[in-house]
Amino acid sequence: DIVMTQSPDSLAVSLGERATINCKSSQSVLYSSNNKNSLAWYQQKPGQPPKLLIYWASTRESGVPDRFNGSGSGTDFTLTISSLQAEDVAVYYCQQYYSTLTFGGGTKVEIK
Amino acid sequence: EVQLVESGGGLVQPGGSLTLSCAASGFTFSNYWMHWVRQAPGKGLVWVSRINGDGTSTSYADSVKGRFTISRDNAKNTLYLQMNSLGAEDTAVYYCARDGGAARYWGQGTLVTVSS
Repeated sequence: DIVMTQSPDSLAVSLGERATINCKSSQSVLYSSNNKNSLAWYQQKPGQPPKLLIYWASTRESGVPDRFNGSGSGTDFTLTISSLQAEDVAVYYCQQYYSTLTFGGGTKVEIK
Repeated sequence: EVQLVESGGGLVQPGGSLTLSCAASGFTFSNYWMHWVRQAPGKGLVWVSRINGDGTSTSYADSVKGRFTISRDNAKNTLYLQMNSLGAEDTAVYYCARDGGAARYWGQGTLVTVSS
């Protein structure tokens, strides 16, 4: 099974500042058929299901603000919130879909 | 509009059984793999099981293999999760999600509590 490791576990950032979340997979999630990384990022707020933000490691889901950006390839990936807004307070998860589904442990983002 | 609505959760005693349902609408249900994902209180997301479009291929997390059975009824646009030999570690909100590579659509979840 592919293990996803996220860091940090929590993060406090001032409004308007950058938040960076890292995710590492135990093996490559590069899908050879399309040369894209099978890596997604989700946002989850209390009492709600996860919301898809990014797929194929860097493709923003429709309607997601452009302050959310995904990057990385192979086994190392990053979610960046370029200018943190109050409504971005949430837990963020990475997920690989190369082989069934595996989630990272989550990163709680708070306002400093 | 794609909708996924879970039901069937509740309080069950250790060793008991429960069947969850996920009613799907707004898309051609039989065209999609479907997943069950769970989240224990205050914890992260854990994949539980998946099934292909015609129900002929299934897979399970090691933690539920042999105890849980995923199935679907495409005529009723409904996904199921039969859960047996439940233990406290199975207490969680159970979500169904539509596959599409990344899971774009999720239900609101149904809470399963295993306790005496």
